[in-house]
Amino acid sequence: DQQVKQNSPSLSVQEGRISILNCDYTNSMFDYFLWYKKYPAEGPTFLISISSIKDKNEDGRFTVFLNKSAKHLSLHIVPSQPGDSAVYFCAAGPYFGNEKLTFGTGTRLTIIP
Amino acid sequence: KAGVTQTPRYLIKTRGQQVTLSCSPISGHRSVSWYQQTPGQGLQFLFEYFSETQRNKGNFPGRFSGRQFSNSRSEMNVSTLELGDSALYLCASSLKGLVYGELFFGEGSRLTVL
Repeated sequence: DQQVKQNSPSLSVQEGRISILNCDYTNSMFDYFLWYKKYPAEGPTFLISISSIKDKNEDGRFTVFLNKSAKHLSLHIVPSQPGDSAVYFCAAGPYFGNEKLTFGTGTRLTIIP
Repeated sequence: KAGVTQTPRYLIKTRGQQVTLSCSPISGHRSVSWYQQTPGQGLQFLFEYFSETQRNKGNFPGRFSGRQFSNSRSEMNVSTLELGDSALYLCASSLKGLVYGELFFGEGSRLTVL
Protein backbone atom coordinates (compact mmCIF):
# COMPACT_ATOMS: atom_id res chain seq x y z
CA ASP A 1 0.00 0.00 0.00
CA GLN A 2 1.69 3.15 -1.27
CA GLN A 3 0.76 5.83 1.25
CA VAL A 4 2.72 8.54 -0.55
CA LYS A 5 2.29 8.70 -4.30
CA GLN A 6 4.04 10.63 -7.01
CA ASN A 7 2.05 9.78 -10.09
CA SER A 8 4.37 11.41 -12.60
CA PRO A 9 7.57 9.42 -12.96
CA SER A 10 9.08 12.12 -15.17
CA LEU A 11 8.62 15.75 -16.11
CA SER A 12 10.37 17.96 -18.66
CA VAL A 13 10.30 21.75 -18.36
CA GLN A 14 11.90 24.54 -20.36
CA GLU A 15 14.59 26.52 -18.57
CA GLY A 16 13.15 29.65 -17.00
CA ARG A 17 9.61 28.27 -16.77
CA ILE A 18 7.83 26.94 -13.70
CA SER A 19 8.25 23.30 -12.66
CA ILE A 20 5.38 21.80 -10.66
CA LEU A 21 5.88 18.44 -8.98
CA ASN A 22 2.92 16.76 -7.32
CA CYS A 23 2.50 14.36 -4.45
CA ASP A 24 -0.57 12.71 -2.91
CA TYR A 25 -0.86 10.93 0.41
CA THR A 26 -3.49 8.75 1.99
CA ASN A 27 -2.56 8.61 5.67
CA SER A 28 -4.39 11.31 7.61
CA MET A 29 -1.87 10.91 10.46
CA PHE A 30 0.80 12.52 8.33
CA ASP A 31 1.28 16.12 9.32
CA TYR A 32 4.81 16.90 8.21
CA PHE A 33 5.92 16.82 4.62
CA LEU A 34 9.28 17.15 2.95
CA TRP A 35 10.87 17.23 -0.44
CA TYR A 36 14.24 15.68 -1.13
CA LYS A 37 16.32 16.07 -4.27
CA LYS A 38 18.62 13.38 -5.60
CA TYR A 39 21.33 13.60 -8.23
CA PRO A 40 22.74 10.42 -9.81
CA ALA A 41 25.39 8.70 -7.68
CA GLU A 42 24.55 10.91 -4.71
CA GLY A 43 22.30 10.48 -1.70
CA PRO A 44 19.08 12.53 -1.42
CA THR A 45 19.42 15.98 0.07
CA PHE A 46 16.75 17.84 1.98
CA LEU A 47 15.13 20.62 0.00
CA ILE A 48 12.11 22.07 1.79
CA SER A 49 9.44 21.04 4.28
CA ILE A 50 6.01 22.06 5.47
CA SER A 51 3.94 21.21 8.50
CA SER A 52 0.20 20.77 8.41
CA ILE A 53 -0.43 24.04 10.24
CA LYS A 54 0.68 25.86 7.11
CA ASP A 55 -0.50 25.73 3.53
CA LYS A 56 2.58 27.28 1.96
CA ASN A 57 6.28 27.47 2.63
CA GLU A 58 8.74 29.35 0.50
CA ASP A 59 12.52 29.17 0.23
CA GLY A 60 14.02 31.12 -2.62
CA ARG A 61 12.94 29.61 -5.91
CA PHE A 62 11.21 26.71 -4.16
CA THR A 63 7.68 26.82 -2.76
CA VAL A 64 5.74 23.93 -1.32
CA PHE A 65 1.94 24.05 -1.16
CA LEU A 66 -0.16 21.80 1.03
CA ASN A 67 -3.86 21.08 0.53
CA LYS A 68 -4.84 19.01 3.56
CA SER A 69 -8.43 18.43 2.51
CA ALA A 70 -7.25 16.95 -0.77
CA LYS A 71 -4.23 15.25 0.84
CA HIS A 72 -2.08 16.80 -1.83
CA LEU A 73 1.14 18.73 -1.88
CA SER A 74 3.10 20.28 -4.67
CA LEU A 75 6.55 21.72 -5.17
CA HIS A 76 6.93 24.75 -7.41
CA ILE A 77 10.32 25.74 -8.79
CA VAL A 78 10.46 29.20 -10.36
CA PRO A 79 12.38 29.87 -12.49
CA SER A 80 13.64 26.40 -13.39
CA GLN A 81 17.36 26.06 -13.98
CA PRO A 82 19.41 23.28 -15.59
CA GLY A 83 20.89 22.41 -12.19
CA ASP A 84 17.40 21.53 -11.00
CA SER A 85 17.45 18.41 -13.18
CA ALA A 86 17.28 15.60 -10.63
CA VAL A 87 14.90 13.10 -9.06
CA TYR A 88 12.58 14.65 -6.49
CA PHE A 89 11.09 12.59 -3.67
CA CYS A 90 8.30 13.74 -1.43
CA ALA A 91 8.16 12.26 2.04
CA ALA A 92 5.67 12.38 4.88
CA GLY A 93 5.28 11.44 8.50
CA PRO A 94 3.80 12.50 11.82
CA TYR A 95 5.40 15.61 13.29
CA PHE A 96 6.03 14.13 16.69
CA GLY A 97 7.27 10.73 17.57
CA ASN A 98 9.88 8.49 16.13
CA GLU A 99 7.90 7.15 13.22
CA LYS A 100 9.53 6.28 9.97
CA LEU A 101 9.40 8.64 7.04
CA THR A 102 7.37 7.37 4.10
CA PHE A 103 8.76 8.34 0.72
CA GLY A 104 7.10 8.56 -2.66
CA THR A 105 8.49 6.84 -5.74
CA GLY A 106 10.10 9.99 -7.11
CA THR A 107 9.71 12.25 -10.15
CA ARG A 108 12.61 12.74 -12.53
CA LEU A 109 12.70 16.41 -13.52
CA THR A 110 14.59 17.39 -16.66
CA ILE A 111 15.15 21.06 -17.39
CA ILE A 112 15.59 21.73 -21.08
CA PRO A 113 18.04 24.57 -21.83
CA LYS B 1 32.18 18.38 8.67
CA ALA B 2 32.47 14.93 7.09
CA GLY B 3 29.24 13.58 5.66
CA VAL B 4 27.67 10.16 5.92
CA THR B 5 30.01 7.52 4.55
CA GLN B 6 28.81 4.25 3.13
CA THR B 7 30.96 1.31 2.10
CA PRO B 8 31.26 -0.40 -0.22
CA ARG B 9 29.86 1.83 -2.94
CA TYR B 10 29.30 -1.00 -5.39
CA LEU B 11 29.18 -4.74 -4.99
CA ILE B 12 28.07 -7.79 -6.91
CA LYS B 13 26.85 -10.95 -5.23
CA THR B 14 25.14 -14.12 -6.33
CA ARG B 15 21.87 -15.55 -5.15
CA GLY B 16 22.07 -17.27 -1.79
CA GLN B 17 25.08 -15.29 -0.59
CA GLN B 18 24.98 -12.78 2.21
CA VAL B 19 26.18 -9.19 2.28
CA THR B 20 27.11 -6.65 4.93
CA LEU B 21 26.96 -2.91 4.27
CA SER B 22 28.51 -0.29 6.49
CA CYS B 23 27.50 3.26 7.36
CA SER B 24 29.46 5.85 9.30
CA PRO B 25 27.19 8.72 10.36
CA ILE B 26 28.09 12.35 10.73
CA SER B 27 30.09 12.86 13.91
CA GLY B 28 27.75 13.40 16.83
CA HIS B 29 24.71 11.91 15.11
CA ARG B 30 23.21 9.07 17.09
CA SER B 31 20.42 7.99 14.79
CA VAL B 32 21.06 5.92 11.69
CA SER B 33 18.33 4.77 9.38
CA TRP B 34 18.49 2.56 6.30
CA TYR B 35 16.45 2.77 3.10
CA GLN B 36 16.21 0.62 0.00
CA GLN B 37 15.77 2.38 -3.32
CA THR B 38 14.52 0.48 -6.34
CA PRO B 39 13.07 1.80 -9.60
CA GLY B 40 9.34 2.32 -9.24
CA GLN B 41 9.34 1.79 -5.47
CA GLY B 42 11.04 4.92 -4.27
CA LEU B 43 12.81 4.85 -0.94
CA GLN B 44 11.52 2.17 1.37
CA PHE B 45 12.36 2.30 5.04
CA LEU B 46 14.26 -0.68 6.42
CA PHE B 47 15.05 0.21 10.04
CA GLU B 48 16.37 2.89 12.33
CA TYR B 49 18.87 2.63 15.14
CA PHE B 50 19.40 5.07 17.96
CA SER B 51 22.03 4.57 20.62
CA GLU B 52 22.59 0.95 19.58
CA THR B 53 18.88 0.07 19.80
CA GLN B 54 16.57 -0.62 16.90
CA ARG B 55 13.73 1.87 17.34
CA ASN B 56 11.76 1.43 14.15
CA LYS B 57 11.45 -1.30 11.57
CA GLY B 58 9.93 -1.34 8.11
CA ASN B 59 8.13 -4.14 6.33
CA PHE B 60 11.07 -6.22 5.20
CA PRO B 61 11.65 -9.94 5.79
CA GLY B 62 13.91 -11.17 8.55
CA ARG B 63 16.72 -11.71 6.03
CA PHE B 64 17.35 -7.99 6.46
CA SER B 65 18.98 -7.12 9.74
CA GLY B 66 21.13 -4.42 11.17
CA ARG B 67 23.02 -3.26 14.18
CA GLN B 68 24.61 -0.14 15.57
CA PHE B 69 27.85 0.10 17.46
CA SER B 70 28.74 2.31 20.41
CA ASN B 71 30.41 4.81 18.06
CA SER B 72 27.09 5.08 16.15
CA ARG B 73 28.45 3.31 13.09
CA SER B 74 25.89 0.95 11.68
CA GLU B 75 25.87 -2.16 9.56
CA MET B 76 23.08 -3.85 7.71
CA ASN B 77 23.16 -7.45 6.64
CA VAL B 78 21.13 -9.27 4.04
CA SER B 79 21.27 -13.04 4.12
CA THR B 80 20.26 -15.56 1.45
CA LEU B 81 20.28 -12.91 -1.25
CA GLU B 82 17.55 -12.90 -3.88
CA LEU B 83 17.54 -11.25 -7.30
CA GLY B 84 14.97 -8.76 -6.03
CA ASP B 85 17.41 -7.49 -3.42
CA SER B 86 19.32 -5.67 -6.16
CA ALA B 87 18.96 -2.03 -5.19
CA LEU B 88 20.64 1.08 -3.92
CA TYR B 89 20.86 0.94 -0.14
CA LEU B 90 20.93 4.35 1.48
CA CYS B 91 21.91 5.20 4.99
CA ALA B 92 20.88 8.43 6.68
CA SER B 93 21.97 9.91 9.96
CA SER B 94 20.45 12.54 12.15
CA LEU B 95 21.20 14.18 15.45
CA LYS B 96 17.96 13.52 17.27
CA GLY B 97 16.27 10.76 15.38
CA LEU B 98 13.58 10.95 12.75
CA VAL B 99 12.99 14.66 13.18
CA TYR B 100 12.26 15.80 9.74
CA GLY B 101 14.50 17.91 7.66
CA GLU B 102 17.46 16.62 9.57
CA LEU B 103 18.13 13.42 7.67
CA PHE B 104 21.54 13.45 6.00
CA PHE B 105 21.99 10.72 3.43
CA GLY B 106 25.11 8.94 2.29
CA GLU B 107 25.79 8.21 -1.38
CA GLY B 108 24.53 4.68 -1.05
CA SER B 109 25.77 1.16 -1.66
CA ARG B 110 24.63 -0.29 -4.96
CA LEU B 111 24.07 -4.02 -4.66
CA THR B 112 23.65 -6.21 -7.71
CA VAL B 113 22.54 -9.80 -7.18
CA LEU B 114 23.18 -12.18 -10.07
